[in-house]
Amino acid sequence: TQLLEQSPQFLSIQEGENLTVYCNSSSVFSSLQWYRQEPGEGPVLLVTVVTGGEVKKLKRLTFQFGDARKDSSLHITAAQPGDTGLYLCAVIQGAQKLVFGQGTRLTINP
Amino acid sequence: ETGVTQTPRHLVMGMTNKKSLKCEQHLGHNAMYWYKQSAKKPLELMFVYSLEERVENNSVPSRFSPECPNSSHLFLHLHTLQPEDSALYLCASSQVPAENTEAFFGQGTRLTVV
Repeated sequence: TQLLEQSPQFLSIQEGENLTVYCNSSSVFSSLQWYRQEPGEGPVLLVTVVTGGEVKKLKRLTFQFGDARKDSSLHITAAQPGDTGLYLCAVIQGAQKLVFGQGTRLTINP
Repeated sequence: ETGVTQTPRHLVMGMTNKKSLKCEQHLGHNAMYWYKQSAKKPLELMFVYSLEERVENNSVPSRFSPECPNSSHLFLHLHTLQPEDSALYLCASSQVPAENTEAFFGQGTRLTVV
């Protein structure tokens, strides 16, 4: 079983729609990160959430860390084609080990 | 040059070949990582080097051999690979220990084993 379960694995929607993707676990984490990976590139950090219930906004992206610090969500408002990519959640295990979920592959159609 | 640079970007090799992937970081970080990304699996951590010492080896087959000669360079030596080893190999670096360390990734090497 995966440490981090992301859902849905694939999502294809029209430009202008809203969407939410999820990252769930049965473990408690001190922090959780969201990365976006575009085709032909490596993942790039979007945000780190550290406090249970924390909400962070990055333009049209809203990230929330669950109250129990076991899960997180990413909500995109009025999606645009530039939001297309693979969205990965990740947690740090031990001092150096960064572990990723399997990702949500998002496609925004013009 | 800045960030994390990987070479080559694309590599096709036969199962009997020996090749090496190179990663270089110009961020002053003290930890470097190799990840494997294939279509059907999530990003898999292969190796972690912290302060030039290998601190993690995630049950990776011996046909993959990492080398970290200094804190800025990381290599992955490949020998007698299998077709199922075809994947995107990503290198990353970070500063450790840090509560919320950010990993910076290279663009990856797309490896095809024929």
